Amino acid sequence: AQTVTQSQPEMSVQEAETVTLSCTYDTSENNYYLFWYKQPPSRQMILVIRQEAYKQQNATENRFSVNFQKAAKSFSLKISDSQLGDTAMYFCAFMNTGNQFYFGTGTSLTVIP
Amino acid sequence: ETGVTQSPTHLIKTRGQQVTLRCSSQSGHNTVSWYQQALGQGPQFIFQYYREEENGRGNFPPRFSGLQFPNYSSELNVNALELDDSALYLCASSLVRGRNEQFFGPGTRLTVL
Repeated sequence: AQTVTQSQPEMSVQEAETVTLSCTYDTSENNYYLFWYKQPPSRQMILVIRQEAYKQQNATENRFSVNFQKAAKSFSLKISDSQLGDTAMYFCAFMNTGNQFYFGTGTSLTVIP
Repeated sequence: ETGVTQSPTHLIKTRGQQVTLRCSSQSGHNTVSWYQQALGQGPQFIFQYYREEENGRGNFPPRFSGLQFPNYSSELNVNALELDDSALYLCASSLVRGRNEQFFGPGTRLTVL
């Protein structure tokens, strides 16, 4: 069974600073996908960034980047130049070869002006 | 292209009743997944439908059932509602082939009294 662990229930960061959210996962599969999703308060969940396990290069999307360590089964999200609109719940998710998703319990991020 | 839509937005039921939630997938997507998100938790995978057939199921009892229609829209049915079924129910659509991203709907907030 796949499990996803987010050990930081809450985090805060000053506006314009950098923050890193942690995620570890457990799987016996070799090919899979990892995602970070953002869920603003009372709003729809949206994709932040995705990473294919077979790619060694870390994914980057503008201010968002990941540190993917396959051997350690670690997948952290770095947010640079934090903005007030980044305040949200962030979920790490694992997708297996059966296209089924498993989510962590989330990290609530607050960006402080 | 239209996004994922869900209906109704909110629903209140009493214990023992049955409920049907509906989801229209994003245009061109052939796979729909359903999730239960309890307050303050990450989404839990209920099941997935691909081309009208169940394509994987999470750890939910048989009273949680679903359908996918030829136009790839989907229903989630829950029988014999229990208080613990109170949650946000999320639908997500995706393509089996391609970028494997899941696009989420806004959810249906179910309250069981």
